[in-house]
Amino acid sequence: GENVEQHPSTLSVQEGDSAVIKCTYSDSASNYFPWYKQELGKGPQLIIDIRSNVGEKKDQRIAVTLNKTAKHFSLHITETQPEDSAVYFCAASSAAGNKLTFGGGTRVLVKP
Amino acid sequence: KAGVTQTPRYLIKTRGQQVTLSCSPISGHRSVSWYQQTPGQGLQFLFEYFSETQRNKGNFPGRFSGRQFSNSRSEMNVSTLELGDSALYLCASSFGGGMNTEAFFGQGTRLTVV
Repeated sequence: GENVEQHPSTLSVQEGDSAVIKCTYSDSASNYFPWYKQELGKGPQLIIDIRSNVGEKKDQRIAVTLNKTAKHFSLHITETQPEDSAVYFCAASSAAGNKLTFGGGTRVLVKP
Repeated sequence: KAGVTQTPRYLIKTRGQQVTLSCSPISGHRSVSWYQQTPGQGLQFLFEYFSETQRNKGNFPGRFSGRQFSNSRSEMNVSTLELGDSALYLCASSFGGGMNTEAFFGQGTRLTVV
């Protein structure tokens, strides 16, 4: 089955700096890659996603890149703010339904 | 538009008991997936229901089961509870269909087994 690895497990950045989280996946059939942000006491919130026919996608301060050949994808957060502090999860899914395989998560701390 | 609603938010059960969790998806969504979240294992897929049929299943024992009703609401049942079943159980709602679509999570049900 699919296996998703996520790095780093923790990330501390100064407010205004950029943060990058990287994920690799094992199943070449995976074609959908969402990113979730989870704050304490809440469920994961979808923040951006990318499909395998696209190499990069941006939404304001957030961007995701996908390298299908290397089977890895990354989340980039620019101009970080304290409210960006949370746990971020990457996930991968193949065309067979809506089963998501998640990475282990990255705890991001943005220091004012 | 209302989000995904999970009830109850918190549950405390004793080993050996059974429990039923409920999930109401976003209006118009026909796919409901369930995930277990623990500090040690992270987020793990339990199963997915689409149009009242189980479409995908994860690697959990048969003690974990689910169902979906005609209004797309879903329930998850865990029988013969074990201490290791203590976790946050999350439900995700998707439009469904043939391709992967965005999944939106509820706030979860925190189950504690004592």
